[in-house]
Amino acid sequence: NAGVTQTPKFRILKIGQSMTLQCTQDMNHNYMYWYRQDPGMGLKLIYYSVGAGITDKGEVPNGYNVSRSTTEDFPLRLELAAPSQTSVYFCASSYATDTQYFGPGTRLTVL
Amino acid sequence: GEDVEQSLFLSVREGDSSVINCTYTDSSSTYLYWYKQEPGAGLQLLTYIFSNMDMKQDQRLTVLLNKKDKHLSLRIADTQTGDSAIYFCAETKGGGNKLTFGTGTQLKVEL
Repeated sequence: NAGVTQTPKFRILKIGQSMTLQCTQDMNHNYMYWYRQDPGMGLKLIYYSVGAGITDKGEVPNGYNVSRSTTEDFPLRLELAAPSQTSVYFCASSYATDTQYFGPGTRLTVL
Repeated sequence: GEDVEQSLFLSVREGDSSVINCTYTDSSSTYLYWYKQEPGAGLQLLTYIFSNMDMKQDQRLTVLLNKKDKHLSLRIADTQTGDSAIYFCAETKGGGNKLTFGTGTQLKVEL
């Protein structure tokens, strides 16, 4: 039981490049979330999903897209990377409106 | 206020008690959480309290909840160097599944 896994751990992008941050959970959780954490700040919710095929915007969705084709996977897509998207990205999952379990994070730098 | 507020920094001596405070925003929050983040790592759930409780104790951790003042605190007894980390409180705003985090309190434990 690996919990929530994220890849890659680190990435450097040039402005305008695109990438997908991967997130997988093996706990059969229905709910999954993407957060970003800027230096010295708390986490801000980007997108979340309450089940396969259902996604919804969080507090800071601009510049990101998500999809949820399976219960296990919840990838986050950056289409045109901007320096403002330099951050640490955390994926989390929960059974329902319950305790959220976090992955180890992806540290992204956009230059 | 609109934000979940925490003091930014706390320094204690090893063996002393630490008290980390948090003021949350939504009186209808069902659960209130404390997460711990060690350097370069994801968030680890420490403990949580249901909104109809005043206190919860879990080994060295004591959570106090004052619903009238929307104040949450985390007391760590016999603080150890391994407790050095950033501590985040979080609320389930609107009673749903979305977490709103505070900015985090960096706890430094000195010998």
